Amino acid sequence: EAGVAQSPRYKIIEKRQSVAFWCNPISGHATLYWYQQILGQGPKLLIQFQNNGVVDDSQLPKDRFSAERLKGVDSTLKIQPAKLEDSAVYLCASSLVTGRGPYEQYFGPGTRLTVT
Amino acid sequence: LAKTTQPISMDSYEGQEVNITCSHNNIATNDYITWYQQFPSQGPRFIIQGYKTKVTNEVASLFIPADRKSSTLSLPRVSLSDTAVYYCLASGSARQLTFGSGTQLTVLP
Repeated sequence: EAGVAQSPRYKIIEKRQSVAFWCNPISGHATLYWYQQILGQGPKLLIQFQNNGVVDDSQLPKDRFSAERLKGVDSTLKIQPAKLEDSAVYLCASSLVTGRGPYEQYFGPGTRLTVT
Repeated sequence: LAKTTQPISMDSYEGQEVNITCSHNNIATNDYITWYQQFPSQGPRFIIQGYKTKVTNEVASLFIPADRKSSTLSLPRVSLSDTAVYYCLASGSARQLTFGSGTQLTVLP
């Protein structure tokens, strides 16, 4: 079974530039999550989708972050414009269970973003 | 939110049993306790999940007392490859997903 795929693995941009991350979840997983993990901290949930609908985006900085999952499969997370404090690893995860739990999340390798 | 509290770090030696305790005093009735393991430059990996009493799988055991205000992850006979950060997560059908800062486990030879 293929795991969660993410790209790119690394990205370096200057502040005020835009960046986009892509995630392809495990086939058949209805729920998709985007997390932000700052160095030394645990992952922080940014947004959760069930199929192509948003379940929770309460911690997504909506003035600069956006995410979509148009066909209920892969997803894109965008930051525009980026700030220095956005430097982090962005993790995508998916789960088979619909709704908000209990669940087992499968994580991708993450995208390491550095904003200079 | 069911906030969790874990020790920041723990050291152990190869072959020993390691117990990592997580405190979740305000856990909700519908919340399950889930533990994840994370290696550097990788996403977290599911270890075990439980609601009450004891759950065991091929890699770990999870002990949850009757009041469910804490839980203990038990790793039998750890090896160097078990060196990682371990996260305790308490969440359920109506709770926000919240990871704490985790416990850095270092297994020494």
